[in-house]
Formats: sequence, C-alpha cells, structure tokens
Amino acid sequence: AQSVTQLGSHVSVSEGALVLLRCNYSSSVPPYLFWYVQYPNQGLQLLLKYTTGATLVKGINGFEAEFKKSETSFHLTKPSAHMSDAAEYFCAVRGPSGSARQLTFGSGTQLTVLP
Amino acid sequence: DTAVSQTPKYLVTQMGNDKSIKCEQNLGHDTMYWYKQDSKKFLKIMFSYNNKELIINETVPNRFSPKSPDKAHLNLHINSLELGDSAVYFCASSQDPASYYEQYFGPGTRLTVT
Repeated sequence: AQSVTQLGSHVSVSEGALVLLRCNYSSSVPPYLFWYVQYPNQGLQLLLKYTTGATLVKGINGFEAEFKKSETSFHLTKPSAHMSDAAEYFCAVRGPSGSARQLTFGSGTQLTVLP
Repeated sequence: DTAVSQTPKYLVTQMGNDKSIKCEQNLGHDTMYWYKQDSKKFLKIMFSYNNKELIINETVPNRFSPKSPDKAHLNLHINSLELGDSAVYFCASSQDPASYYEQYFGPGTRLTVT
C-alpha cells in the first residue's frame, strides 16, 4: 500500500517569500510522484512530476521539487511567492504496476499569499 | 478547446433520485477515471477505464455505475442518491494506464443532495 502525507494543511507566506510545501510518501515500490494545483472551483492541474532520472524536477509557474529517496520526501518549492499562487496543492504517488498504479493523493495544503 | 469536460458543473437533487454526470475528453487518451473529492478536499479514486474496460474499481457502493460508450467518454450514473454522496466529482484522463503518465482533470461536478 502507498500513502502520502502533506505536513501543514494551511501555509501562509508573504508575497516574494519562499514557498515550501512538504510531502512525504510511503511506497513499497519505486514511486512516481506528482504535484497538482487546484484553484478555487476548478479542476486539478499538473505542476510537475518525477518518474525517473534527475531528482530535481522543474515545473510550471516557477515551481520545483526534489525527490529524496532516503527521506521519502518530495517537497515543493518556489523561490518567490506571487499572489496568483494562492491555491490548494496536492502531492500524489503512483506505483509502477498492479494495484499500486492508482493515484493516491495527500490531503492537500492550502497556500495563502499575503500582500 | 476544453481537454476534459464534464456536465453538469452543478447538480442539486433530492435523496432517492437517480442522476448522471457526463465526461468527455478530446485528448485521444485511452484511460479515464472518476474521483470523488469530499468536503475536506480529500481526493479518492473511484473507477478507471482503459479502452472502455474497467481496470480499477475501488470500494464504491453498487449505486455508482460507470459507463464508457467509447474511449472518449466515461459517464457516472448514481442511483438512489444519499446525503453522503454530496461531493465534487472529477473526471480525468491519461494517455494510458502506465503510472508515469500524468492525468488531466476536468473542472469537476459539484453534487449536492438535499
């Protein structure tokens, strides 16, 4: 079985400050990891994903995440927050085959950007 | 050109009624999904179809029945609606079931059962 834990259901940062959203996963097989963003009353949009290869992954809107196997983490960062980054962020994990292939989401982190 | 579309966007109905939500994707993808997002924004897979065949069927009441007339469509029919069915339902698609392919989500259907 696989699971995702997002530390902090609500994170507030000032505009221009560093954004750090934490994600830890549990998986018995090499995972594929994803970050999605959900703006109010909208569907989910992929920010970035890690499958294989380089552990530092760059995504859209200036976000990036680093896969750290030893820490079972996939934290999302952005150097400078913008007001438009305010949204709900979901970390998700998939295993490579079988029942682990289903996408398992964390509980989400609501990011608030203060002016 | 919406990639994954759902209708209706909002659905308000009474307990005991039967309703359907439609989903269409124009991405040429082989695999489609239904997710349920509860009031705490927790997302959970309900069903997955690949080329019109069911490949994932999570523990969902029998009142929920997905139907895939072709690989571009995956509809969700719900019988005898209950208060607990109130949620946002998201349709998604991916190129195929392989895990490294990202899923593209529709805008969601907010179902309210009164």
